[in-house]
Amino acid sequence: DIQMTQSPSALSASVGDRVSITCRASQSLSGRLAWYQHKPGKAPNLLIYKASSLESGAPSRFSGSGSGTEFTLTISSLQPDDFATYYCQHYSTLFPTFGQGTKVEIK
Amino acid sequence: QVQLVESGGGLVKPGGSLRLSCAVSGFDFGDYFMNWIRQAPGKGLEWISIISDNGLHTNYADSVKGRFTISRDNAKNSLFLQMNSLRAEDTAVYYCARGGHDYSYFHYWGQGALVAVSS
Repeated sequence: DIQMTQSPSALSASVGDRVSITCRASQSLSGRLAWYQHKPGKAPNLLIYKASSLESGAPSRFSGSGSGTEFTLTISSLQPDDFATYYCQHYSTLFPTFGQGTKVEIK
Repeated sequence: QVQLVESGGGLVKPGGSLRLSCAVSGFDFGDYFMNWIRQAPGKGLEWISIISDNGLHTNYADSVKGRFTISRDNAKNSLFLQMNSLRAEDTAVYYCARGGHDYSYFHYWGQGALVAVSS
């Protein structure tokens, strides 16, 4: 199975900060990577698919980049609604797996 | 408007069984692969099962293989997860999620159903 490693596992940031989260895969994903935002008690929300395609309705401050085995989710200017846990997920094999998550907290 | 609504969660003893349902509306259910994903308390997301659009193909994570069975009824726009031989480590919120026309990312999710396995 492909292993997904996210970093950092948590971060503290202020409103307006630029934030980046990295996801590394144990083998090439051919761009088959998604990012989700998850808030407690709610359904996870798809932000990015195919590594860099912004989901319809997701704010434009979210962007995805990367290829091969290394990918990044960037929030250009952190907003109060963005404090949540973020997960990457690969879908390049029959066994999709998630990263362990990155909790974004208020500084 | 796309809606996925899970039901059937609850408290069950170790070794017991439970059947989750997911009622779907707002899209052509029979056109899409469907998935179950769970989140144990304090843990991250774990994909556990997928079923093809026609129901003929299924796949499972090793953690549930041989104990859980995914199925669907396209006439009733419903997805199911039969969970047998439940263990304490199966305690989690279980989400149904719509995939694509193949193995894909998870476009839409339900709100989740809590399954607690405890004596």
